Amino acid sequence: AQSVTQPDIHITVSEGASLELRCNYSYGATPYLFWYVQSPGQGLQLLLKYFSGDTLVQGIKGFEAEFKRSQSSFNLRKPSVHWSDAAEYFCAVDGSGNTGKLIFGQGTTLQVKP
Amino acid sequence: NAGVTQTPKFRILKIGQSMTLQCTQDMNHNYMYWYRQDPGMGLKLIYYSVGAGITDKGEVPNGYNVSRSTTEDFPLRLELAAPSQTSVYFCASSYLVTDTQYFGPGTRLTVL
Repeated sequence: AQSVTQPDIHITVSEGASLELRCNYSYGATPYLFWYVQSPGQGLQLLLKYFSGDTLVQGIKGFEAEFKRSQSSFNLRKPSVHWSDAAEYFCAVDGSGNTGKLIFGQGTTLQVKP
Repeated sequence: NAGVTQTPKFRILKIGQSMTLQCTQDMNHNYMYWYRQDPGMGLKLIYYSVGAGITDKGEVPNGYNVSRSTTEDFPLRLELAAPSQTSVYFCASSYLVTDTQYFGPGTRLTVL
């Protein structure tokens, strides 16, 4: 069965520091991959997505992610974190052959220290 | 555009009661989805719809029913509420199956 693992439940970084959130997936074919962000009390907002092509994907708010097929990973990065980036981040995979039926990881909560 | 709207925002139910969670989108999207989010967990798909009159089960459909009579609306029905259905429920929509899913603000449901 398809699955998504986010190994880090909680991460704390200092404002201005770089950030990497990890995501590993289990999927037989070429997956559609997504990163969503959820601010407290809000719905989810798409940061970026990967379908095919260039394995380095640029998203909104200065985020990027790199698809590595050999490692089954799709890690999210940001060079310099802002206090407003504090939120919960979810990695998701389209789990049934591009049907829109997303499978989400457990999420990583990002805390930003001043 | 209001995007995806959900009502109510909060609700407390007693065991065995029923209710309908409302979801409306004004973006003329074909695809609509219902997810639930339990504390400390990612979202799990309950039901989805590819257009008016067409619905199908997701990962965790037991205890829920849906209907889609119009493009705009996708209500989720709980017939006999159970404590295990305490969760935050999110509705989402997209124009194409591979498009971005736009999420509503959620409904926080507690069953006591």
